[in-house]
Amino acid sequence: ELKVEQNPLFLSMQEGKNYTIYCNYSTTSDRLYWYRQDPGKSLESLFVLLSNGAVKQEGRLMASLDTKARLSTLHITAAVHDLSATYFCAVAPPDSNYQLIWGAGTKLIIKP
Amino acid sequence: DVKVTQSSRYLVKRTGEKVFLECVQDMDHENMFWYRQDPGLGLRLIYFSYDVKMKEKGDIPEGYSVSREKKERFSLILESASTNQTSMYLCASKAGGEKLFFGSGTQLSVL
Repeated sequence: ELKVEQNPLFLSMQEGKNYTIYCNYSTTSDRLYWYRQDPGKSLESLFVLLSNGAVKQEGRLMASLDTKARLSTLHITAAVHDLSATYFCAVAPPDSNYQLIWGAGTKLIIKP
Repeated sequence: DVKVTQSSRYLVKRTGEKVFLECVQDMDHENMFWYRQDPGLGLRLIYFSYDVKMKEKGDIPEGYSVSREKKERFSLILESASTNQTSMYLCASKAGGEKLFFGSGTQLSVL
């Protein structure tokens, strides 16, 4: 059974600092997704990572995937208040086009 | 602009009531999903549908049913609402193996 673990689950940081959110998963997969959720809002897709070594960047966020280690990271560079949100990773089981297994989410608070 | 629309943002129902949650997408996606979101548990899949009139159980289907009579519409039904079904319900759609597009969610409270 595929399990997905995110850590930390809660992170409070100052503007201007760098930090990394980790997403570990328990069995083979070649598709990993990162989503963002603002308070009271729905989820918005950030990145889709499809192969080992994939790296994607948008603004101050960069996501990477290491399928051998079964690990994805979401790195935040020089954080700004607008990045405060909950971030979820989700992993697709290898034998399914439909299912996603979700991490519990990382609530990120960035203080001015 | 792509859109997944859920009919209600907030709902309050009584135990034992039958509850309908509606979701409409305008992207001609084959696949539609219903999730519930509870704090600390991430998203859990209730049901999904890969075509009109086709449905598959997700991880937590007990107490729920679904209907997909038209490609653009996917309904979630709580036959007899219970307090442990108080939750945020999220509808999503996608094409093939692509990313999910989510609706704005329905916060359901069952009293």
